Amino acid sequence: DTAVSQTPKYLVTQMGNDKSIKCEQNLGHDTMYWYKQDSKKFLKIMFSYNNKELIINETVPNRFSPKSPDKAHLNLHINSLELGDSAVYFCASRQRDRQETQYFGPGTRLLVL
Amino acid sequence: QQQVKQSPQSLIVQKGGISIINCAYENTAFDYFPWYQQFPGKGPALLIAIRPDVSEKKEGRFTISFNKSAKQFSLHIMDSQPGDSATYFCAAVTQGGSEKLVFGKGTKLTVNP
Repeated sequence: DTAVSQTPKYLVTQMGNDKSIKCEQNLGHDTMYWYKQDSKKFLKIMFSYNNKELIINETVPNRFSPKSPDKAHLNLHINSLELGDSAVYFCASRQRDRQETQYFGPGTRLLVL
Repeated sequence: QQQVKQSPQSLIVQKGGISIINCAYENTAFDYFPWYQQFPGKGPALLIAIRPDVSEKKEGRFTISFNKSAKQFSLHIMDSQPGDSATYFCAAVTQGGSEKLVFGKGTKLTVNP
């Protein structure tokens, strides 16, 4: 009965590879997010989707491409991975009228070698 | 441009003591101020939130104090316990406005037994 799930939990890959992270929420929320948390724990929003439509794109390199096949899923594809992409990536979701309450997934720990 | 400034970066408290984390914001359009708690290896989770028309909100051992004129708010953890050891993030959002929560940089709290 996990609310927001992400796969994989860990991802170790070589520089230059392409990888995807998947996110699913079973809360019936319309809005989903991707965040990047660096080694200093700083949470930085990357993207927001509302009902499959891109709402926020926070100056993220175009190597990162989110895709929302339906409102319960928001995947993140990363091309040509770089060392600086190493971080923990969190998916989150919220109800339409509750912007203060976001439900985060467990995170995907990406290590680029 | 950091819209929510959080301090201290880290905090060590003895069991039973009071933990205090402070945040200041710049954007007067913010109208909801949540705090998130993140345990190691987990995603952040909403802890407590306050609106600016209230000066204080208490939930169990956790209290938010809000000073609208100073544009500051703080989290107080009374009778701190080792299980409270986590990273705490303050945040701000404009209801009905931008989709995004603006997070502070986080405070790593360690409560020693």
